[in-house]
Amino acid sequence: DAGVIQSPRHEVTEMGQEVTLRCKPISGHDYLFWYRQTMMRGLELLIYFNNNVPIDDSGMPEDRFSAKMPNASFSTLKIQPSEPRDSAVYFCASSLGGPRETQYFGPGTRLLVL
Amino acid sequence: SQQGEEDPQALSIQEGENATMNCSYKTSINNLQWYRQNSGRGLVHLILIRSNEREKHSGRLRVTLDTSKKSSSLLITASRAADTASYFCATAEIQGAQKLVFGQGTRLTINP
Repeated sequence: DAGVIQSPRHEVTEMGQEVTLRCKPISGHDYLFWYRQTMMRGLELLIYFNNNVPIDDSGMPEDRFSAKMPNASFSTLKIQPSEPRDSAVYFCASSLGGPRETQYFGPGTRLLVL
Repeated sequence: SQQGEEDPQALSIQEGENATMNCSYKTSINNLQWYRQNSGRGLVHLILIRSNEREKHSGRLRVTLDTSKKSSSLLITASRAADTASYFCATAEIQGAQKLVFGQGTRLTINP
């Protein structure tokens, strides 16, 4: 199995630009999670989906962030407009057993907003 | 809100020694998990221990859980340079939000 796939691996953009992060979960996993990792705040859950439906988006910092899962094999996290404080590593993870069970993480997207 | 807190924040030992990391949490849990993160990589799941379990082993890893003290420990025996990484505990609360809450991690360095 290829594991969770994320793209791009690195993104450098200027403040105000739109950023789209992509994720392909492990085939057969019915839960997909988006996390953000920073030195100051650690690893934070932004949103998660079950069977392509958003279940908990309470971690989404503000309206500039949006996430979609149009099908079982693809999800996007969009930031529009981006700000320097959005600079972080964004991880996608998937699981089979539920939000409290073992999660499998992708390699992450390192975002730098100038 | 942060549930699990790892201790120590950083640990440096010689190759071949044992490494012990601890995690404390505040509320009743369904399970507790340990993950490893190598520099610049994603998190990798190591072990899941449920609230009715006291100890689990996986290779050179041993995890204990003490629900009365709300704490867990991860022991890595006969450490290797490749064990150099950050180790995170993640807790799944019985009540409250259905999600994993990760601690800030322990940075482990194995010196050759």
